[in-house]
Order: sequence, then C-alpha cells, then structure tokens
Amino acid sequence: EVQLVESGGGLVRPGGSLRLSCTASGFTFRSYNMNWVRQALGKGLEWVSSISSDRSYIFYADSVKGRFTISRDDTKNSVYLQMNSLRAEDTAVYYCARDKAPGNNRDAFDIWGQGTVVTVSS
Amino acid sequence: DIVMTQSPESLAMSLGERATINCTSSQTVLYSSNNKNYLAWYQQKPGQPPKLLIYWASTRESGVPDRFSGSGSETDFTLSISSLQAEDVAVYYCQQYYSSPLSFGGGTRVEIK
Repeated sequence: EVQLVESGGGLVRPGGSLRLSCTASGFTFRSYNMNWVRQALGKGLEWVSSISSDRSYIFYADSVKGRFTISRDDTKNSVYLQMNSLRAEDTAVYYCARDKAPGNNRDAFDIWGQGTVVTVSS
Repeated sequence: DIVMTQSPESLAMSLGERATINCTSSQTVLYSSNNKNYLAWYQQKPGQPPKLLIYWASTRESGVPDRFSGSGSETDFTLSISSLQAEDVAVYYCQQYYSSPLSFGGGTRVEIK
C-alpha cells in the first residue's frame, strides 16, 4: 500500500525548534518530488516547502523561508522538515504529500499523510 | 506570486443538484510548451487529509466518481459536481503548481440544503 506517515509534531515554546519526519512506503521514494503543506485549525491549506527527487530544486513559502529547512534521505525513504525559530502562527497540522508523477517536473499532490500536529505556545 | 481566488466561499445545494465552484488565478497557469494547465482540485472532509480529485485542470484522478469534472484554462477554472451526493459534503480547494510559491485557493464549503 502506498503510504506516507508523519511524525515529530508536538508542543514547543516560541523560538524553539522541531523536526518533522515523513516516512514513505509502497513506492520508489527516490523518484518522487515531496512536499509539506500545513493547515491551521479551521483554516485553509498553505503550501510550505517542496524538494525535487534529485534535490535540484528546493522551494519555501515566504512565511517560513530562513527558518525551515526541507531535506530527504532516500536510503530511509524519508523527507524531513527542520523548523527553527518557531512562532505561534506556525501552529498547524503539517501534512507530507507526494507529487503524482515520478521525476522532477511539477505535479499535483496525489498521496497525503494523515498529518502531525505542531503547537507553538508558551 | 500567483494568488488563487475561489468562489463562492460556501454553497448549499439539494441532493441531486449540480454544484459549481469557481477558481481564478492571478496569472496564467497554462504552460505553453506542453499546453497543460497546472491546476488541481482537492476534496477535504473533516478530520481527513485532502484528496486529489482533478489534475491538469480536467483530468480525473483514478477512482474519483465521474460526477466530478474540471474545466477551464489559463486563469479561470471550474469544478462541477453533476449530481450532488451526501458523501460530497466537504471543503474543496484549487491549487496551482505552475510556479513557486505553490498556492491554494481559500476553499469552498459544500453542504446539503
């Protein structure tokens, strides 16, 4: 079964750090671009970051640029989101999502994890 | 940056009626070299992650009922549900994947009248 499972969420104080992980199974992970999308409670979807299959491109939303870092380890079938200098407005469910087609070209997100909750509060 | 604007914010239709959701992008999402619109539609039910319904503006994802259809090009797009079913109650989002930063519309909540 094709699956993405996020982990690493939790409660952190403003200014703190957290590292999210997303582990894939059921497909050839190294061939796909991967993404992070977040959703604050009761709000819409916000794209956070993307990394291409060969790491040739890495993009961030302006709201997280300079604070968040996306990376991947194809030997572990995992993509990560290192989040530093966290703010209250980073509080959200964080989803990991896969591009639909293998390769470096941009595509829609066809596989999503169930999400991990990040709460930034003192 | 491309801004995605959806309308209406919510709509309530009777079972069996046609529901139409609009999505407008601030810039074209049509890539001229391959003539593809980099536009997707997602459905999100409470407590669940989004589900891909439509990609390339009009291609239905495998397993999605054929009552869902997408149309439009360049900057104006539509998601239609031809005959609304109870299980279609959800929030629907459009998304452009033409250029970074990728962006979603604000969402449209669909309810049964």
